[in-house]
Amino acid sequence: AQRVTQPEKLLSVFKGAPVELKCNYSYSGSPELFWYVQYSRQRLQLLLRHISRESIKGFTADLNKGETSFHLKKPFAQEEDSAMYYCALSGNAGGTSYGKLTFGQGTILTVHP
Amino acid sequence: NAGVTQTPKFQVLKTGQSMTLQCAQDMNHEYMSWYRQDPGMGLRLIHYSVGAGITDQGEVPNGYNVSRSTTEDFPLRLLSAAPSQTSVYFCASSWPGQGIYEQYFGPGTRLTVT
Repeated sequence: AQRVTQPEKLLSVFKGAPVELKCNYSYSGSPELFWYVQYSRQRLQLLLRHISRESIKGFTADLNKGETSFHLKKPFAQEEDSAMYYCALSGNAGGTSYGKLTFGQGTILTVHP
Repeated sequence: NAGVTQTPKFQVLKTGQSMTLQCAQDMNHEYMSWYRQDPGMGLRLIHYSVGAGITDQGEVPNGYNVSRSTTEDFPLRLLSAAPSQTSVYFCASSWPGQGIYEQYFGPGTRLTVT
């Protein structure tokens, strides 16, 4: 069975401080990992995915297979980063997953001025 | 493109009532799915479809039915609403861009069952 764990329900930082949202996963095969974000009154949207190795809005996330983690990091948080963040996994054990996602519990990030 | 649309935005039901949550997409995506979002539990997959006429169960399918008669539409039916189905429901569609199925979400339907 696949599982995603986000240990922090709430995370508060001040503007300009570094931020790290933790995500750990359990999956026997090679996972596809994503971070989704939901800003206030907006729909859930893709922030970044591990396979792209990209930086979006200053956020990066590195897949660590040894520690089964995919933590989201930003060196200098901004007030507009305040949102709900979900880590999600798409497994592909033996066949196509069609993008079926297993989500973590979510972390509410609040960036104070 | 409107993307993924959902109706209604809000709904209040009494226990035992039935209703259909509508979902439509105009991106010609083959894959569509329904999730429910509950505090402290993230989003959980209810049902999904890999194309017209093909549906399958997700993690929490009990109490819900789906059908997929067209590529565009994927309605979710609550047969006999229960308070445990109070939740926010999200519809999503996806396509295998670069081999990865990126999901596009609708705005959600907030359902309260009393």
